[in-house]
Amino acid sequence: LAKTTQPISMDSYEGQEVNITCSHNNIATNDYITWYQQFPSQGPRFIIQGYKTKVTNEVASLFIPADRKSSTLSLPRVSLSDTAVYYCLVVSGGGADGLTFGKGTHLIIQP
Amino acid sequence: SAVISQKPSRDICQRGTSLTIQCQVDSQVTMMFWYRQQPGQSLTLIATANQGSEATYESGFVIDKFPISRPNLTFSTLTVSNMSPEDSSIYLCSVEDWAGQGTSYEQYFGPGTRLTVT
Repeated sequence: LAKTTQPISMDSYEGQEVNITCSHNNIATNDYITWYQQFPSQGPRFIIQGYKTKVTNEVASLFIPADRKSSTLSLPRVSLSDTAVYYCLVVSGGGADGLTFGKGTHLIIQP
Repeated sequence: SAVISQKPSRDICQRGTSLTIQCQVDSQVTMMFWYRQQPGQSLTLIATANQGSEATYESGFVIDKFPISRPNLTFSTLTVSNMSPEDSSIYLCSVEDWAGQGTSYEQYFGPGTRLTVT
């Protein structure tokens, strides 16, 4: 599966929109881009998944350009509780594989 | 979405002993996965466990050290054998589920078992 690269850490403030970009240059045709969130002392939690263009749910939006070599997770109006580690992963469309986690982005939200 | 519980939630063990971690899911699932998360690090896949077959281990993990059982579609155990301080980690199980039309699969994770080996 394609390796992903994302910033190690980011800081922002309450009420701001936060965009975390991930690169996955070697993404395959049947791969999906998936983001997980992990709070301290908890297991990762699925946030959003997309294949192309834009996907939006109640938590976040995911923007994927036409070449699919990168993606951007957008968190609208963040709060202190959004402080967490965010992982960008490329997953096979066929499933049945364990996940390969990179180092993730440590997002710190300040008041 | 699947609800996963793990037992114990944490334990402190002496080197040379073994600990068995239990993972219970509230629905029947085909695939279960075991991960390790060392302090301050990301998650690393240990093995994939299918019901009725031998677990498949990732590079760097062996069955003698991390034997896995998968007796039915809702339960699995991971044993950390002959422990050393380097085994101090959080151990998490997860299950896979279809994320919906036009998507792929997502994984649901248990709360983890925090193991400290002294």
